[in-house]
Amino acid sequence: SQQGEEDPQALSIQEGENATMNCSYKTSINNLQWYRQNSGRGLVHLILIRSNEREKHSGRLRVTLDTSKKSSSLLITASRAADTASYFCATADSWGKLQFGSGTQVVVTP
Amino acid sequence: DGGITQSPKYLFRKEGQNVTLSCEQNLNHDAMYWYRQDPGQGLRLIYYSQIVNDFQKGDIAEGYSVSREKKESFPLTVTSAQKNPTAFYLCASSSRTGRLSETQYFGPGTRLLVL
Repeated sequence: SQQGEEDPQALSIQEGENATMNCSYKTSINNLQWYRQNSGRGLVHLILIRSNEREKHSGRLRVTLDTSKKSSSLLITASRAADTASYFCATADSWGKLQFGSGTQVVVTP
Repeated sequence: DGGITQSPKYLFRKEGQNVTLSCEQNLNHDAMYWYRQDPGQGLRLIYYSQIVNDFQKGDIAEGYSVSREKKESFPLTVTSAQKNPTAFYLCASSSRTGRLSETQYFGPGTRLLVL
């Protein structure tokens, strides 16, 4: 079974708008990671946030983690057409194994 | 796709046939992983290896086999026992620094189709 579940399943926005997607998980984690996947390609790592961190930034990306609610959010600010992709959260347990959610498909229209 | 190659890009399997997917990395990573992705779904772990000559089953290992004879190579065989092999297969690797959970780097994937 999948540990993380993203919400929404799909998101359509216009260039310049912000995109927010959420991830909920069930069991305790070592860290939580966000990945991007362009259609038919491999995954690209975006950001890793550890269980003792609450917020992290990387360029136009902002990730939050609330371990009490077992949830995380990914915010993409000032979106571009090139941000069109599927975004996955993955939780890492103490053994390092990743459990992926089913993803949020983001479409950014010019 | 940073230092991990997978081949072939597309693979066709006939009924009852075993096929092998190649995964090679030049990142000097200790750990390597195989995932399966079905349309509109996330990734599910098939097998993983944290060191040469050692590997463990993931969540959906039935019908698959692996070997890890060299650090840079982790081939996956889809056997005839796997009744629904059509999927996108992704290989990944990560370094091991004493903490087990680190960023994983993915290859471009192999799409397996059944004839």
